[in-house]
Amino acid sequence: DADVTQTPRNRITKTGKRIMLECSQTKGHDRMYWYRQDPGLGLRLIYYSFDVKDINKGEISDGYSVSRQAQAKFSLSLESAIPNQTALYFCATSDSLAGGGRETQYFGPGTRLLVL
Amino acid sequence: GQQLNQSPQSMFIQEGEDVSMNCTSSSIFNTWLWYKQDPGEGPVLLIALYKAGELTSNGRLTAQFGITRKDSFLNISASIPSDVGIYFCAGQPGTGNQFYFGTGTSLTVIP
Repeated sequence: DADVTQTPRNRITKTGKRIMLECSQTKGHDRMYWYRQDPGLGLRLIYYSFDVKDINKGEISDGYSVSRQAQAKFSLSLESAIPNQTALYFCATSDSLAGGGRETQYFGPGTRLLVL
Repeated sequence: GQQLNQSPQSMFIQEGEDVSMNCTSSSIFNTWLWYKQDPGEGPVLLIALYKAGELTSNGRLTAQFGITRKDSFLNISASIPSDVGIYFCAGQPGTGNQFYFGTGTSLTVIP
């Protein structure tokens, strides 16, 4: 089984609809992240959470919200989807308690979102 | 937000050739990571570097953590068709900080 899973893998929605993307991890990591990927722009950080009670905005948080329901679950919501939110969305995890400061980030398989 | 400068943006090479790409930052990082992404998939970790000067290999891949701590290099030897994909670097200023990503190097291997 994959360590970091995302659902759905693909989604088509209409402008103005509310969308939730979900992420679950079995790695036992404390930190979770949501990124957006657009062609030619690399990965951009939307939100991140260093533990269950911690939520931080990334560089492109406008139009998005998140919820860290448990250490293993981190969901991303688009309250009112718009076409320029069409992108590939990735969840990632990392372990701040990795020995010797050896923190490494692991990614889920991604969710492809199309907003019409 | 901080972006890492990754070059080249794209490469077209013949099968069997060696490949080099690099990533630079204006600030010091304590961790450098290299990932490969296949179309429609998530980035997969290739190599992690945690110490300035560190040289680490993973099969035909070798990565180095620059002495200045502001750059990192990835080399692929004797490329094969399955090396095709986008390679990303990522850096972390220190434990407790977020990771910053390069814009990727798209690699095409011509059989």
